[in-house]
Amino acid sequence: QVQLVQSGSELKKPGASVKVSCKASGYSFTTYAMNWVRQAPGQGLEWIGWINTNTGSPTYAQGFTGRFVFSLDTSVSTAYLQINSLKAEDTAVYYCARGFSPIMYFDYWGQGTLVTVSS
Amino acid sequence: QSALTQPRSVSGSPGQSVTISCTGTSSDVGGYNYVSWYQQHPGKVPKLMIYDVSKRPSGVPDRFSGSKSGNTASLTISGLQAEDEADYYCCSYAGTYNVVFGGGTKLTVL
Repeated sequence: QVQLVQSGSELKKPGASVKVSCKASGYSFTTYAMNWVRQAPGQGLEWIGWINTNTGSPTYAQGFTGRFVFSLDTSVSTAYLQINSLKAEDTAVYYCARGFSPIMYFDYWGQGTLVTVSS
Repeated sequence: QSALTQPRSVSGSPGQSVTISCTGTSSDVGGYNYVSWYQQHPGKVPKLMIYDVSKRPSGVPDRFSGSKSGNTASLTISGLQAEDEADYYCCSYAGTYNVVFGGGTKLTVL
């Protein structure tokens, strides 16, 4: 069965970096895009962007360029989201989600990773 | 890219039907038949309920249906049940490999 398993919660200080992992299993990793979605406390879903798991080419949504970086390790079917120069407003749950065709909808989601940015 | 517009909350009694709207523009909802809907219970992971405007993934009850007219998409839940109480988010392809979510709607089953 398809599973996306994310790394555990993180507590970081402002200005630091964090790298969230998303390990896929149960399907051919390079066949589907991987998307990243953010949900701040008590807020809605916000699409961060996606990465083509076949070519490694990333696309970032408006407002997420510069500090957000997607990467892959296809040898272990894992996608990564790195956030640099963390700010308090980056505090949120970050989800990876498998994209279909490649981003028309998201059929499987990781369990979410809480990133807390606090001094 | 502006978020799609959804009502903050809707409510209905068990057995009734409710409809949640999702308004965008001709650059997203109106321009493509790629609207999806997600259900999220508190503290849980979002779940795909509708894709491609009106298609239901396997396992989603046929009480859930989707439609679109112009720049507005809708999710209708008929025969409301207590377990339908959740937040619902619409999402649309917005061209040039971009996607936009709605702000979310809290459904209360009275």
